[in-house]
Amino acid sequence: KQEVTQIPAALSVPEGENLVLNCSFTDSAIYNLQWFRQDPGKGLTSLLLIQSSQREQTSGRLNASLDKSSGRSTLYIAASQPGDSATYLCAVRRQYGANNLFFGTGTRLTVIP
Amino acid sequence: DGGITQSPKYLFRKEGQNVTLSCEQNLNHDAMYWYRQDPGQGLRLIYYSQIVNDFQKGDIAEGYSVSREKKESFPLTVTSAQKNPTAFYLCASSIDKWQTQYFGPGTRLLVL
Repeated sequence: KQEVTQIPAALSVPEGENLVLNCSFTDSAIYNLQWFRQDPGKGLTSLLLIQSSQREQTSGRLNASLDKSSGRSTLYIAASQPGDSATYLCAVRRQYGANNLFFGTGTRLTVIP
Repeated sequence: DGGITQSPKYLFRKEGQNVTLSCEQNLNHDAMYWYRQDPGQGLRLIYYSQIVNDFQKGDIAEGYSVSREKKESFPLTVTSAQKNPTAFYLCASSIDKWQTQYFGPGTRLLVL
């Protein structure tokens, strides 16, 4: 079974700082990897999706990287803002199996004004 | 507007009662999913459906039931057999199992 781990569980940074969130997974046979954002009491919003053949994806101040061989992905947030405060979840889509999407437990980010 | 709706936002269950959570999508997606989210834990898959009139158990299906009679709708029933139902329930849909899942706003279920 695919295990997805996100460290740290919580992170606080002052506004304006650049930061990195980490995601690791145990089975490298992945189809793609996705980063989501979840605000308190809300559903998930997709931020970036990286196909297994890609090394990184960028959207605005967000950059996600993927290293399949080492089972790692990072989400880089540049010039953090208080509005970035949320929980960020990593989800790995496996190449096989009917039930093929596995979520990490998330990193709760607080950006302090 | 296209999207996924879930209702109600909050739901209260009495002991021994079955309750049904609604999930509707107008994205013309074939696949739909139900997840349970508990504090400090990731999303856990309850049931999923890849096409109308078909559904499969996920990792924690005991005490839950679903139906998929229409493409747009995938209701989840929390039965009295589910002894610890208090959680945040999320519904999602996707074109197929390989594509991005789009999530609804969630239903919080509380036990009286």
